[in-house]
This record gives sequence, C-alpha cells and structure tokens, in this order.
Amino acid sequence: EVQLVESGGGLVQPGGSLRLSCAASGFTLSSYSMNWVRQAPGKGLEWLSYISRSGSTIWYADSVKGRFTVSRDNVKNSLFLQVNSLRAEDTAMYYCAREGFCSGGTCPDYWGQGTLVTVSS
Amino acid sequence: QSVLTQPPSVSAAPGQKVTISCSGSSSNIGNNYVSWFQQLPGTAPKLLIYDNNKRPSGIPDRFSGSKSGTSATLDITGLQTGDEADYHCGTWDTSLSAVVFGGGTKLTVL
Repeated sequence: EVQLVESGGGLVQPGGSLRLSCAASGFTLSSYSMNWVRQAPGKGLEWLSYISRSGSTIWYADSVKGRFTVSRDNVKNSLFLQVNSLRAEDTAMYYCAREGFCSGGTCPDYWGQGTLVTVSS
Repeated sequence: QSVLTQPPSVSAAPGQKVTISCSGSSSNIGNNYVSWFQQLPGTAPKLLIYDNNKRPSGIPDRFSGSKSGTSATLDITGLQTGDEADYHCGTWDTSLSAVVFGGGTKLTVL
C-alpha cells in the first residue's frame, strides 16, 4: 500500500524555520517525481515545489522561491522541504504528493495526510 | 486570487447531475492537460481525473472530465451524499512554469 507520511510541522515564530519531512512507503521513491502542496485554512490548494526522480530538476512557486528548499533521499525513502523566513501567510497544511504518470499538466496520484505549520508570535 | 477560476459552490439533489467548471487561459488549460481532485472534509485531496478525462483505478464512472479550449469541466452523475466535498482543478502553466490550481468548489448534495 502506497503511504506518504509528513512530519515536522508545528508552531513557529515569524522569521523562523522548519524542516518538513515526508516518509514514503509501499513504492520505490526513486521511480517518482514528487511535489509539495499547501492549503491555508479555508483556502484552495497552492503548489509549492516539484522535484524530479533524481533531484536534478527542481521547480518552485514564485511565492516561496528563495525561502523554501526541496530535497530528497531516495535511499532513505524520504522527501524534505526546508522552510525559512516564515511569515504569517505561510500558515497552512503542507502536503507531499507523488506525481503520477500522465500525458501532461500535473497528476499527483497519492497524497500524505499533511503536516500543519502555524506561524505566529 | 487563483490562476484557474472555479465557482465557489454548487449544489444538487441526490441522484441528480452536477457540473463544475474550471476556466483558465492559453498558457495553462489551453495547452496542457487538466486534473481534478476530490477533497472530503478533513482529509487530503484525492486524484479523481487526469489527462482531462481519464479516471485512476477505483474511481467510479459517475465522475467524468472534459476540456474545451481554455475551460475544463467535471461532471458528477447519480449524486450521493458521500460526494459532498471540495473539488479542485489543476494543471501546468507554461508562462508561470508552475502548477496552478483553481480556488476549489464546494459541492453540497441537498
């Protein structure tokens, strides 16, 4: 069974940092590209970052470019998101999502349950 | 403001059909494939439709997707109370070099 389990969220002060993790099981992580997506309370989905299977290709949303860094460890079956210089507007549920195989666009086919990041003083 | 535009809410009676629209532009929907996601209350999103109109294994054929020009549509027939959820559309935006989503549509089954 495919499972993605995020961790590392919590309450952090403005300007602070966190390292979010996503533990993958039930499939070979190295065979899939991965995404990070967040959802602020009561809002829609916001894509944050994409990392290719080997990590050689990485994309970021403009809203987090320069503050967030995605990485992966295929040996340890883990995906990471380093989030720095946090602002109140970064408060959200953060999801990791496996990118499926589709003809184009985006098709994350499995999602974790999310980890909540709250930025507040 | 989301790059893709969805109606905030739709509603219909059990057994009926509902259509959810997703409007974009030539840099996203017009030249890329669209996916749809179902998000039940308090849960993570789930892939419902990909490549405009394909269903992952296990998704009932009551759910169907289509695309025309710069708009996409999700149809749900034979509505059930268990279909009450938020529905999101998403695709790649070539100009932004980013994945973009709609703001989500809340479906109420009356």
